[in-house]
Amino acid sequence: GAGVSQTPSNKVTEKGKYVELRCDPISGHTALYWYRQSLGQGPEFLIYFQGTGAADDSGLPNDRFFAVRPEGSVSTLKIQRTERGDSAVYLCASSPRGPPALEAFFGQGTRLTVV
Amino acid sequence: GIQVEQSPPDLILQEGANSTLRCNFSDSVNNLQWFHQNPWGQLINLFYIPSGTKQNGRLSATTVATERYSLLYISSSQTTDSGVYFCAVMDDNYGQNFVFGPGTRLSVLP
Repeated sequence: GAGVSQTPSNKVTEKGKYVELRCDPISGHTALYWYRQSLGQGPEFLIYFQGTGAADDSGLPNDRFFAVRPEGSVSTLKIQRTERGDSAVYLCASSPRGPPALEAFFGQGTRLTVV
Repeated sequence: GIQVEQSPPDLILQEGANSTLRCNFSDSVNNLQWFHQNPWGQLINLFYIPSGTKQNGRLSATTVATERYSLLYISSSQTTDSGVYFCAVMDDNYGQNFVFGPGTRLSVLP
């Protein structure tokens, strides 16, 4: 596609449930980033993929969060045993290459609400 | 890690006015981008500007990497310019992700 695509746009889930958020990067972009944005804050880094491997997962808040990118394209962010504090907008970005990165482009985000 | 500051935190303008937004960062960078987050939450790319000056219509940006700051200029502001403006940088010292500033919230009044 022309841009970074994220699905779903909105997700409401009950506390304790498992969710998956999907990111389709721009075709040919090898670098993929996940960010989380809480209301009134700037985006905060979660994890960076270079190709299929997670090159930096230092931003994942705890072991309930996990992400994969098995074929070096689509990525899935997985959250187990969701908590109300996980409610936020989850943003995905891609760039033609990793560090030093070129211009990165963001998707429209997935708004996750845990009730 | 690298620290990013933005000023002012909030800005209210009358339509037609000009403004300057500032981004300061604490270490050398190899990537700097300015984004506009619209009311629907989408981050729109404004400039990829690790150094130098660029212009795009009513917007222009300058990054002085040696002095660790970047400026975003908005001229003849319009109500559609309203939203939050973010500066994001990548640390030149083994940085592998973009670090965002806290943003400047701009409101342009008709």
